[in-house]
Amino acid sequence: SQQGEEDPQALSIQEGENATMNCSYKTSINNLQWYRQNSGRGLVHLILIRSNEREKHSGRLRVTLDTSKKSSSLLITASRAADTASYFCATDPFQGAQKLVFGQGTRLTINP
Amino acid sequence: EPEVTQTPSHQVTQMGQEVILRCVPISNHLYFYWYRQILGQKVEFLVSFYNNEISEKSEIFDDQFSVERPDGSNFTLKIRSTKLEDSAMYFCASSRDGPYEQYFGPGTRLTVT
Repeated sequence: SQQGEEDPQALSIQEGENATMNCSYKTSINNLQWYRQNSGRGLVHLILIRSNEREKHSGRLRVTLDTSKKSSSLLITASRAADTASYFCATDPFQGAQKLVFGQGTRLTINP
Repeated sequence: EPEVTQTPSHQVTQMGQEVILRCVPISNHLYFYWYRQILGQKVEFLVSFYNNEISEKSEIFDDQFSVERPDGSNFTLKIRSTKLEDSAMYFCASSRDGPYEQYFGPGTRLTVT
């Protein structure tokens, strides 16, 4: 399997509910980031968590990182229809790699 | 708010033709990247560029690909002889401090026929 694998691949919930997406990775990392992509559009940076952090909040977003399990989760609270998008985790592998490695993404649908 | 721009938004070309995809990164950013996303698949790294040279490239970025920063604002990706499998969305990104918090452009959809 590959660096940055998200699950579930697709998630459909009702507006107002919380959405949780998970990401696993293989190699040591400096940071892990989450991006959102609306259909056919570019990637929007949501949040970055450093390898020495365990949890981070930004508005309705909560990200956790467990480096011992090489996994991260993204929680979106009180979801809205506008949150419908694909969500990707991206890692920058350790040792100075000048790139982001993206997962397959989770397609999130918020039903009104 | 500053943003990364890309032109054209959609390019259709015939197999074997050369294409140049253009990007204007955010003005005070120093690191520049190209990624691509084949329809329905994940975003794949192509190349990173810093201090007027390639700092890293993937195995996708073969001799058919090249990048250039011809002036202080533009960053281009050239594909010399396009193949059908080059059809994808190509994203340019830039950052101030290395691979962190990369800002992505809206993408150029390349269709090779």
